[in-house]
Amino acid sequence: QSALTQPRSVSGSPGQSVTISCTGTSSDVGGHNYVSWYQKHPGKAPKLLICDVSTRPSGVPDRFSGSKSGNTASLTISGLQAEDEADYYCCSYAGTNTLVVFGGGTKLTVL
Amino acid sequence: EVQLVESGGGLAQPGGSLRLSCAASGFIFSSYAMTWVRQAPGKGLEWVSAISDSGLSMYYADSVKGRFIISRDNSKKTLSLQMNSLRADDTAIYYCARVLTYYGSGSWPWGQGTLVTVSS
Repeated sequence: QSALTQPRSVSGSPGQSVTISCTGTSSDVGGHNYVSWYQKHPGKAPKLLICDVSTRPSGVPDRFSGSKSGNTASLTISGLQAEDEADYYCCSYAGTNTLVVFGGGTKLTVL
Repeated sequence: EVQLVESGGGLAQPGGSLRLSCAASGFIFSSYAMTWVRQAPGKGLEWVSAISDSGLSMYYADSVKGRFIISRDNSKKTLSLQMNSLRADDTAIYYCARVLTYYGSGSWPWGQGTLVTVSS
């Protein structure tokens, strides 16, 4: 069982928007703004999509956006494209004992 | 080009040891904390270990604490993970990554990964 809870799967049609949630506690997601999101295609290394809750690194399309409310962070992908089909993981700082936790991952299917 | 390249993966017996390395290039290695993350077959990403930019602070997931040792050589721009007392559930692809600002806030780039298989 992962420390952060994500839906196992989401789906959407090309052009639509989907939102992936990531629920933690006040010790991790809710306690600070050190939350990130990654995209992972099979056989490839994870790709950073969002850092510090809502900052998009250079080169990441603005179709990807991040936000947080309380203990839940969210990744929204708008204008879905076929190449967005992948696994998505949230990640959060969790204090000096555990340090970092990942969500269990969400499989996005583009219909 | 900012790049990380892992090496050292392979087949190890239960109870055995392996040492992973991660060679960095294209950035000031000594200015960044570094981290190891793994992905077991069919499973999600799991944070394994992290080390501060100076190498003075090390952190471990409970699953590897007491068995794995993270270290770095800033003069050689190399990150290492000494894995001892290996178990079958350590089988995974291991990735090294550069911590951008603070642990959990975002890591980039990532290496291509190195496969560790623990089996008799």
